[in-house]
Amino acid sequence: DQQVKQNSPSLSVQEGRISILNCDYTNSMFDYFLWYKKYPAEGPTFLISISSIKDKNEDGRFTVFLNKSAKHLSLHIVPSQPGDSAVYFCAASELSGGGADGLTFGKGTHLIIQP
Amino acid sequence: DAGITQSPRHKVTETGTPVTLRCHQTENHRYMYWYRQDPGHGLRLIHYSYGVKDTDKGEVSDGYSVSRSKTEDFLLTLESATSSQTSVYFCATSPLAGEQYFGPGTRLTVT
Repeated sequence: DQQVKQNSPSLSVQEGRISILNCDYTNSMFDYFLWYKKYPAEGPTFLISISSIKDKNEDGRFTVFLNKSAKHLSLHIVPSQPGDSAVYFCAASELSGGGADGLTFGKGTHLIIQP
Repeated sequence: DAGITQSPRHKVTETGTPVTLRCHQTENHRYMYWYRQDPGHGLRLIHYSYGVKDTDKGEVSDGYSVSRSKTEDFLLTLESATSSQTSVYFCATSPLAGEQYFGPGTRLTVT
């Protein structure tokens, strides 16, 4: 059973517009969420995270929103730039339970920024 | 970046042979992880370590073993490689629970 779901395998957005990537989770014990960006032939790179005590976290062009009641989070990128074209992974962990036992990842969304 | 290297970066091996992948970090992070990435599956946790000689199993640990004799090194061993273990393997480290930093990956092909 997949505990972290990214239901859109790919997303195409025009340069300069807003990109919105979605993620749903089923495990109510998750209390820390992260987004990673991955280029081909490279390891994932941390983008932004959010704790379950918050509903929004912002870092430059990237904002993550968390809706705990819906078990849903989203990553907003505005404005989208060509370098944002990559695969984005949503991940979750149980920090309150120690959190050392790894992250649970979604399958990823391939974001394509069109010129 | 966390100063994480993985070796080898690419390897082709035959079914039934043993294979060891190495992860080396220079950041003195306590926690280390091995993941595999396969099409349609995202990244899945194989094993992790919360200190020297302290390891535990992840979601997909069957057929894999790990060892951590020094803080900086975390080894992943496939005792007898199978075609289903063809994958890209990523090592990650973390100073504490939460955010993890990933290495560049090892592409393993088992023929």
